[in-house]
Amino acid sequence: DIQMTQSPSSLSASVGDRVTITCQASLDIGIFLNWYQHKPGKAPKLLIYDASNLETGVPSRFSGSGSGTDFTFTISSLQPEDFATYYCQQYHNLLFTFGPGTKVDIK
Amino acid sequence: QLHLQESGPGLVKPSETLSLICTVSAGSFSSSSYYWGWIRHLPGKGLEWIGNIYYGGSTYYNPSLQSRVTISVDTSKNQFSLKLTPVTAADTAVYYCARGVVRANYYFDYWGQGTLVTVSS
Repeated sequence: DIQMTQSPSSLSASVGDRVTITCQASLDIGIFLNWYQHKPGKAPKLLIYDASNLETGVPSRFSGSGSGTDFTFTISSLQPEDFATYYCQQYHNLLFTFGPGTKVDIK
Repeated sequence: QLHLQESGPGLVKPSETLSLICTVSAGSFSSSSYYWGWIRHLPGKGLEWIGNIYYGGSTYYNPSLQSRVTISVDTSKNQFSLKLTPVTAADTAVYYCARGVVRANYYFDYWGQGTLVTVSS
């Protein structure tokens, strides 16, 4: 099975800050890496698919990059509504794995 | 706008069967372009993929849960279901159903709001 790691596990940031989260896969998954935002009591929301493609309707301050085993998720200017937990998710051989998540809270 | 809604008991006894249904608003349910999945959020932990069902009825499960999980579909009702048995307290979680798009890369683009299931005697 493919293992996913994310770092940091949590971070504190201020509105307007640039936030970067990394996700690493235990083997090469190409660009089959997706990012979700999850707020308490809400359904997870797809933000980025294929490592770098912005889902329709998602603000352009969110971006993703990477391929192979190393991926990066960035919020260019953190907004109040962005405080949430972010998960990467990989797809390989019909199996899915989520990363452990990164909680972004208010400094 | 696609809508998914989970339903089922909120309390299940240990060693019994957790049964949930996801009802999908009309439109894409019978299309080969989509698949349907279950994901859970364990308290204090992250998201865990449970399994998917594809057009034609093929299923794929998380290897860690495979021996206890069954996902099935009722296309006449636009519903798919999850059964997990036997359950323990470790299965207490918010359970989500979701839709995925069949492409080279698989992900979930629409999710239900989730339903809390507590396993307790």
